[in-house]
Amino acid sequence: GAGVSQTPSNKVTEKGKYVELRCDPISGHTALYWYRQSLGQGPEFLIYFQGTGAADDSGLPNDRFFAVRPEGSVSTLKIQRTERGDSAVYLCASSLGQSEQFFGPGTRLTVL
Amino acid sequence: GQNIDQPTEMTATEGAIVQINCTYQTSGFNGLFWYQQHAGEAPTFLSYNVLDGLEEKGRFSSFLSRSKGYSYLLLKELQMKDSASYLCAVRDKLNSGYALNFGKGTSLLVTP
Repeated sequence: GAGVSQTPSNKVTEKGKYVELRCDPISGHTALYWYRQSLGQGPEFLIYFQGTGAADDSGLPNDRFFAVRPEGSVSTLKIQRTERGDSAVYLCASSLGQSEQFFGPGTRLTVL
Repeated sequence: GQNIDQPTEMTATEGAIVQINCTYQTSGFNGLFWYQQHAGEAPTFLSYNVLDGLEEKGRFSSFLSRSKGYSYLLLKELQMKDSASYLCAVRDKLNSGYALNFGKGTSLLVTP
């Protein structure tokens, strides 16, 4: 079956702009996670959804970051007023309960 | 939160055995994961330990000691394709108990 997919694969934007990153989890996976990864670092947790609700958003760095999962499947990570420091690879993962997390290929965000 | 430490880089020879160590500090341990990440790709799941002891899976084994806050990943019969970053991640019972906290990763280079 299909794995986790993310679009776009690359996004270049200008400082101050708004961006949306999309994640399609593995079908049937109730848990969905967003992480971001900077060069030479491990993934950093941002937010976790169980079904439609955000069960843990403690990793969101500030209120410019927001994520939704309205129907319990696809999720969108939204970043307002982007800053150069937001440049990173944004990874999405999904899992069935507390089993291992399966990661998507990521979206490379570059803020100029 | 956790402090997760692992060596930054390691080099080993094709056909040899290598052990990658990971130490962590956590207030509510709920599992330790190892992921492999090739450059420019998503992390892929290797192993999971929640109880003390050794878990073996083909050429890969992972060990956990909860009392020592210590794990290692053992790779046998190294192949050139094993050159990658190896990420140690700990799950905590605090917050949602689902999010993974990753170390910075160990970059392994396998030489002929």
